[in-house]
Amino acid sequence: QVQLQESGPGLVKPSQTLSLTCTVSGDSITTNPYYWSWIRQHPVKGLEWIGYIYYSGSTYYNPSLKSRLAISVDTSRNQFSLKLSSVTAADTGVYYCARDCRACRSTSLDYWGQGTLVTVSS
Amino acid sequence: QSALTQPASVSGSLGQSITISCTGTTNDIANYNYVSWYQHHPGKAPKLIIYGVTNRPSGFSSRFSGSKSGNTASLTISGLQAEDEADYYCSSYASRMYIFGTGTKVTVL
Repeated sequence: QVQLQESGPGLVKPSQTLSLTCTVSGDSITTNPYYWSWIRQHPVKGLEWIGYIYYSGSTYYNPSLKSRLAISVDTSRNQFSLKLSSVTAADTGVYYCARDCRACRSTSLDYWGQGTLVTVSS
Repeated sequence: QSALTQPASVSGSLGQSITISCTGTTNDIANYNYVSWYQHHPGKAPKLIIYGVTNRPSGFSSRFSGSKSGNTASLTISGLQAEDEADYYCSSYASRMYIFGTGTKVTVL
């Protein structure tokens, strides 16, 4: 059974960088044809797909976040990470990581982590 | 890309059937058969329950079914059970991104 677990600070100050890590167990992050995505849930605005990374390092970001976003992968630790810079209160929300099966028959996010709440506040 | 539109809440009695709609546009639902549905019990990991409009992941209950007509997708839960009380989100894959619905809270009366 594939499991994902998000970790990172729950409180980030405005203008600083939000950093989160997703640890994958039950599957190798290098397994074809899976990608690995981040999604967030705003308190009011709902779910927003943030971006993905492939184990090779290839990425694609939501254009609305692209200028502030960096997603990286550490295959030796079976982890991938998110860094979002210059955060504001609008970046407050629950952040999820998920296995992204866009190249599979299902074309979906087939396994998710439980999510971690990040609050941007001074 | 704008969020897909879902009703905020739907309720039904034990054993009844309910349907949740998910309305998009020609940029997403209408032109792609990549609609998926997720069940989310607060505090737990969201769970994929439908992919490719109509398909259920292996081992998932047949009480859940999906369909699509034009730019609107639907999730039907038949034989409503107490454990079905949760939030439900639709999603459409389009232009390398996933677009999500606004979410529907299902209440079992």
